[in-house]
Amino acid sequence: NAGVTQTPKFQVLKTGQSMTLQCAQDMNHEYMSWYRQDPGMGLRLIHYSVGAGITDQGEVPNGYNVSRSTTEDFPLRLLSAAPSQTSVYFCASRENRGSYTFGSGTRLTVV
Amino acid sequence: SQKIEQNSEALNIQEGKTATLTCNYTNYSPAYLQWYRQDPGRGPVFLLLIRENEKEKRKERLKVTFDTTLKQSLFHITASQPADSATYLCALLSGGYQKVTFGTGTKLQVIP
Repeated sequence: NAGVTQTPKFQVLKTGQSMTLQCAQDMNHEYMSWYRQDPGMGLRLIHYSVGAGITDQGEVPNGYNVSRSTTEDFPLRLLSAAPSQTSVYFCASRENRGSYTFGSGTRLTVV
Repeated sequence: SQKIEQNSEALNIQEGKTATLTCNYTNYSPAYLQWYRQDPGRGPVFLLLIRENEKEKRKERLKVTFDTTLKQSLFHITASQPADSATYLCALLSGGYQKVTFGTGTKLQVIP
């Protein structure tokens, strides 16, 4: 099992550009989520999904969109990148009440 | 407001000693609490889970306690080794289990 796979690992964007961070899991987990991690702020929840076709906002959703067309995939879209979105992004999945499995992260810089 | 506090200062201990990390929370009624390890440039890795009706959980050299009266969890690593050096995060799951809130983590440095 690969677990949770995130791509790309690194990305540099110009302000105003859009892009999609990819996340895929092969554990058949219903629950998936996106976090961003900033120094001193910890992991903050952006969006989450409890199953295909169902998504909801987390703590810091502004500027991001998600969709969940399959159980395996949960992409995160940046609509118009801003320097404030410079961060490390983690995708995670979990069993219903279990532990999280995290991807290796995407380090995004917006210039 | 809801708050999770972990000591933001790094914890330095001598190899072989027991490391104790603290996770305090306010305005939560967590159903359970988890501890994760994060190495630089990597995603967090799950270590232990403890439920609200459990006082203590052990796994090899790791021990977690959960005191819902004090609103605190303690994470212990006995016979610590330099390889235990990492940042340790606590996470709370409450009502509905849909959202998990993570603490900011405590960096542990085990000195040979």
